Amino acid sequence: DTEVTQTPKHLVMGMTNKKSLKCEQHMGHRAMYWYKQKAKKPPELMFVYSYEKLSINESVPSRFSPECPNSSLLNLHLHALQPEDSALYLCASSQMIGRAGETQYFGPGTRLLVL
Amino acid sequence: RKEVEQDPGPFNVPEGATVAFNCTYSNSASQSFFWYRQDCRKEPKLLMSVYSSGNEDGRFTAQLNRASQYISLLIRDSKLSDSATYLCAGFGGQLTFGSGTQLTVLP
Repeated sequence: DTEVTQTPKHLVMGMTNKKSLKCEQHMGHRAMYWYKQKAKKPPELMFVYSYEKLSINESVPSRFSPECPNSSLLNLHLHALQPEDSALYLCASSQMIGRAGETQYFGPGTRLLVL
Repeated sequence: RKEVEQDPGPFNVPEGATVAFNCTYSNSASQSFFWYRQDCRKEPKLLMSVYSSGNEDGRFTAQLNRASQYISLLIRDSKLSDSATYLCAGFGGQLTFGSGTQLTVLP
């Protein structure tokens, strides 16, 4: 079963709100990722966690705060977002990172609208 | 220069046609490559992995040319259900996507 789940599916928030996106996988994968995708653009990497530790932060603004409570869960905490942060936020997982050929499996995404 | 470049299309083809997409990559250290399919407002789904000289899965054939640094995807006997955006991706430490090619298969 190559399933990654994400909640919520849709989220509307104001610029002063605090919200969290959640991602879960039960494939025993040790690497998890957050991507941001704008309309008609490819996914852009935001964060990578490997063995529950932050491995890569692609210069993401601090209003996005990732958290990996355990090997199956990945959260993205949102605070004081801007309208230009509206996008599809995709979570992905793979067995490991840094290994050639490691397939990443994507969750269905959270479609975020910041007003 | 983008690390992975892809013709954005759109490609509009009749049912039954054969269509090919190409991607070029600039990172010669890229070790493996993938084709993902993304339907409108959905997540990318893995279509094929491309590890060596290429591989085939039914109507889909992926090719890798390391000398020229490009990968291709060939779809034979295209179906209406093949309409989607096709994303190529290269792995050279992290996964980098091309911009995607939009395919519409027409009845």
